[in-house]
Amino acid sequence: ETGVTQTPRHLVMGMTNKKSLKCEQHLGHNAMYWYKQSAKKPLELMFVYSLEERVENNSVPSRFSPECPNSSHLFLHLHTLQPEDSALYLCASSQGTQGDRYNEQFFGPGTRLTVL
Amino acid sequence: DQQVKQNSPSLSVQEGRISILNCDYTNSMFDYFLWYKKYPAEGPTFLISISSIKDKNEDGRFTVFLNKSAKHLSLHIVPSQPGDSAVYFCAASVNPGANNLFFGTGTRLTVIP
Repeated sequence: ETGVTQTPRHLVMGMTNKKSLKCEQHLGHNAMYWYKQSAKKPLELMFVYSLEERVENNSVPSRFSPECPNSSHLFLHLHTLQPEDSALYLCASSQGTQGDRYNEQFFGPGTRLTVL
Repeated sequence: DQQVKQNSPSLSVQEGRISILNCDYTNSMFDYFLWYKKYPAEGPTFLISISSIKDKNEDGRFTVFLNKSAKHLSLHIVPSQPGDSAVYFCAASVNPGANNLFFGTGTRLTVIP
């Protein structure tokens, strides 16, 4: 595997279910990100982890719970979601903040989530 | 409140002609601008960027223009090829090393053979 991988690619869940999204990066990066893309809306940054510590949490509801056990893996734990949480969830990784050097983010293919 | 806007959801261009994709932003603190390209079932991939100290950056068939006073940037693709058909996202950050990127909603480009 190369780059950034995400599993599953598609997920359908009920509002009372608990599920997890998984992201793995094979690039040796230090930072990982979760984004949400809803229909006709821009990508919204949800969480940022740098060196396994959460550095950004953009007012995301607590029904989304991220976990970064090491610099290569990132999870998004989901519980009691709402239908409006249906979206494409994208994971990304980068070398990490480097001052004036461009911090290019590499994206995975995303998980298409449908909440019934 | 959307800080980066792409007002054209779609654009169709004949192969060989120029494609021009536009992007506007509202935050005057943005200092670094990027274009990402996304094919179906794939994640966005970085295409080209520009720092606010420049007004133009060119990479092969792709050129990005920045007009800071108008808070406007554009991506020119010339000549357009069918393989360029994708969704193009404009993004901005307060500096090139920032973790936080602000994205537009994307423009779907279709290049007609």
